[in-house]
Amino acid sequence: DGGITQSPKYLFRKEGQNVTLSCEQNLNHDAMYWYRQDPGQGLRLIYYSQIVNDFQKGDIAEGYSVSREKKESFPLTVTSAQKNPTAFYLCASSIDGADTGELFFGEGSRLTVL
Amino acid sequence: AQKVTQAQTEISVVEKEDVTLDCVYETRDTTYYLFWYKQPPSGELVFLIRRNSFDEQNEISGRYSWNFQKSTSSFNFTITASQVVDSAVYFCALGRGSSGDKLTFGTGTRLAVRP
Repeated sequence: DGGITQSPKYLFRKEGQNVTLSCEQNLNHDAMYWYRQDPGQGLRLIYYSQIVNDFQKGDIAEGYSVSREKKESFPLTVTSAQKNPTAFYLCASSIDGADTGELFFGEGSRLTVL
Repeated sequence: AQKVTQAQTEISVVEKEDVTLDCVYETRDTTYYLFWYKQPPSGELVFLIRRNSFDEQNEISGRYSWNFQKSTSSFNFTITASQVVDSAVYFCALGRGSSGDKLTFGTGTRLAVRP
């Protein structure tokens, strides 16, 4: 089935460690996004990429990094510089340039910093 | 600046009741898009509907209906004859464009439908 796969589903990290969250899609979508979700808050955009080898900062990019070496993959690294990394992270994709407005989401990765 | 307000944090209803989820937005753009997404317990958000600012027609899809009123800057979502499977968090979002980098999400409304 086509979709977005995020891994791991749950991740625990000690303070000071970098962690990488995986996001893979087989929808052949050009655009991919990373959002952060905190309790009682809406989704906030961390980074997005509309084409391979190019990505842009979103509203809360500090302490995060991404890469887009392949169309189907958009990993997110949460660095030790991120002051409050415990959150639920959602990856999404869309057909870039298509006026559908529909984002397809993965099931998320829950990161807990111990 | 764009803003989306979902004042209802949590709603609890009994199965078969009708329920309306409120969404009020703020924008200075004349062209914009409004969305509703559903987040079931599994975590992924599921797209429900998109509306552009020039289309104020209400829409019905099965038990779901949406009421868009520019005069009150609202885009409310009604579920008729609710079911337990409707239990989820529902997000309203406002976009300058229709791609994901231009969306502002509300804080969500958690709907619990009791049998």
